[in-house]
Amino acid sequence: AQSVTQLGSHVSVSEGALVLLRCNYSSSVPPYLFWYVQYPNQGLQLLLKYTSAATLVKGINGFEAEFKKSETSFHLTKPSAHMSDAAEYFCAVTYPRYSSASKIIFGSGTRLSIRP
Amino acid sequence: EAGVTQFPSHSVIEKGQTVTLRCDPISGHDNLYWYRRVMGKEIKFLLHFVKESKQDESGMPNNRFLAERTGGTYSTLKVQPAELEDSGVYFCASSQIGVLNTEAFFGQGTRLTVV
Repeated sequence: AQSVTQLGSHVSVSEGALVLLRCNYSSSVPPYLFWYVQYPNQGLQLLLKYTSAATLVKGINGFEAEFKKSETSFHLTKPSAHMSDAAEYFCAVTYPRYSSASKIIFGSGTRLSIRP
Repeated sequence: EAGVTQFPSHSVIEKGQTVTLRCDPISGHDNLYWYRRVMGKEIKFLLHFVKESKQDESGMPNNRFLAERTGGTYSTLKVQPAELEDSGVYFCASSQIGVLNTEAFFGQGTRLTVV
């Protein structure tokens, strides 16, 4: 069964430090991968997506993620954290070649806190 | 352009009561999805409409949940009767083609608390 695992339900970094949120997927078929962010009292917003083009994907607000097939990973990074990055981040996957591809499968989320 | 809107934003009901959640997708979006997040867990797929037809309802937890999308515009999700384990945040999303090809836009969610 396809699944998404996010390591760490809560990550805390200092302002200006590197942000690294981990995501691994399990699949035997090529996936499309997404990172969504949910700011307090808001809906889910797409940060970036990988759809089999460039393996390094750049998103909004300075975030980027790299698809590594050999590691089945799609970790999210940002070189320098800002206070406004505090939010919950969700990794998600879908499989375009299968009938179940109409649904996005989400990870359990990682809450990012930024220390002043 | 208005985004995906959900009503109400919060709902607190007693066990055994009925609640109806509403989702207004982005105008012109044929695809409409319902998801649910139980506290601290992953966001789980409930069902998918293409226009007014249910394309996939494999995630609906049981027959206490009824989703409709009359006319292919807004959708409702009714829970009757509600149980304690139904508490969570219910998200709606819409997209133009398949979620594969375009971004799926999510609403703010409805936080349902069953007491």
